[in-house]
Amino acid sequence: AQTVTQSQPEMSVQEAETVTLSCTYDTSENNYYLFWYKQPPSRQMILVIRQEAYKQQNATENRFSVNFQKAAKSFSLKISDSQLGDTAMYFCAFMKETGNTGKLIFGQGTTLQVKP
Amino acid sequence: SQTIHQWPATLVQPVGSPLSLECTVEGTSNPNLYWYRQAAGRGLQLLFYSVGIGQISSEVPQNLSASRPQDRQFILSSKKLLLSDSGFYLCAWWTGYNSPLHFGNGTRLTVT
Repeated sequence: AQTVTQSQPEMSVQEAETVTLSCTYDTSENNYYLFWYKQPPSRQMILVIRQEAYKQQNATENRFSVNFQKAAKSFSLKISDSQLGDTAMYFCAFMKETGNTGKLIFGQGTTLQVKP
Repeated sequence: SQTIHQWPATLVQPVGSPLSLECTVEGTSNPNLYWYRQAAGRGLQLLFYSVGIGQISSEVPQNLSASRPQDRQFILSSKKLLLSDSGFYLCAWWTGYNSPLHFGNGTRLTVT
């Protein structure tokens, strides 16, 4: 069974600075997808970024980028130029490709506070 | 464009009462549908998923059940609520490979 671990329950960063959220996962699959979702105080789940395991290039979406290390089974999220609106809970999630039913396995989340 | 509607947004129910949460998707056909639960300050736990009408898979044994009476409708139910059923319930849909899950706005359920 796949598991996703986020070892940082809470983090804080000053506005305009850079912060990195950690995520590790365990799987025997070779092909899969990884995601970061953001859950602001409104509790809506918002997709931040995704990565296909077969791609070596790290995904980037504006101020958000990932460091995907397949051999180490690590998938960290870097937020550059942090903004107050980035304050939220962030979830790392795994989806396998084989026999894909679209099931997402989530980590426990990291609460990020951006301070002015 | 695809949208997902989930209601009600907030619900307070006494222990032992029935439950019905509804989720509908618009703008897509034959999606996979999911019910997740999020306990306070915790991650999301998959409760049920459905790959088609009448097809329900349960991920964890519990006091809840799910049904899919129509292609784009997914219902979460309980005959008798327990205190432990309190939480934030999220419905989600998925249309296939290399696409993410899209979530509704959720229902905050408090069982008193």
